[in-house]
Amino acid sequence: SQELEQSPQSLIVQEGKNLTINCTSSKTLYGLYWYKQKYGEGLIFLMMLQKGGEEKSHEKITAKLDEKKQQSSLHITASQPSHAGIYLCGAGEKLVFGKGTKLTVNP
Amino acid sequence: GAVVSQHPSWVICKSGTSVKIECRSLDFQATTMFWYRQFPKQSLMLMATSNEGSKATYEQGVEKDKFLINHASLTLSTLTVTSAHPEDSSFYICSARSTGRSTGELFFGEGSRLTVL
Repeated sequence: SQELEQSPQSLIVQEGKNLTINCTSSKTLYGLYWYKQKYGEGLIFLMMLQKGGEEKSHEKITAKLDEKKQQSSLHITASQPSHAGIYLCGAGEKLVFGKGTKLTVNP
Repeated sequence: GAVVSQHPSWVICKSGTSVKIECRSLDFQATTMFWYRQFPKQSLMLMATSNEGSKATYEQGVEKDKFLINHASLTLSTLTVTSAHPEDSSFYICSARSTGRSTGELFFGEGSRLTVL
C-alpha cells in the first residue's frame, strides 16, 4: 500500500518568512492533493497536482510535483498567522494521507 | 464549489449505544464516499470506502460489524458506530468524489466529533 511521509512534522516560523513542506511517496505518484486542516475541523482543499513537473500557485502558496522523486513540495511565501494549521498531503485512489505538518506562524 | 455536509457535527453518547453519522453531498452526486477517523494530533486514517448500491470496502483492521456503512443514494452515506465504547471516541470525517470521476478533487465534510462516555 502507498505511504506518504511528510517533513517536517512541525514547523515554527516568524511572520513574513518563507517555508517549505515536503511529501514523499513510497510508490509512484500519479497525482497528489494538498489540504489544510485546523484540528477538529474539516479539510480545506488547497491544490491538486496531476502531472509530473506540474506547479500550481494560489495566493502565496505554491505546490510542485516531482514524479521522478515521488515527491511534492508546498511552499509558502511571506507567511502569515492565517497560514497556521496542519498541512496534509494525500494521494491514491482512496486518498491516503501523510501524518501532516503542523505549522505555527508567530506574529 | 461543491459542498459535503456531515451531521451531527458533534455527539455525546453513553457506552453501549449506537450512533449514526450522515454524510451528504449537497450539489453533486457521489458514487463513492470515504470515511476517515482522526485521533488527537494525528493524521486521517482511512476506515472504509462507501460505494452506492453495494457493500462498503473496509480497510485492514477496521471492524465491519462495528462500523456499519450504508450508501443508499448518490448523495448520502451513513456511518453507524454500533455499541460504542470510549475508545471509539474520535473525529470522523467523510469525503466524496463526483460521479464518474476516478480522479479529481475530493470534497470533505466538516467532520463529526464523537465522545462516548
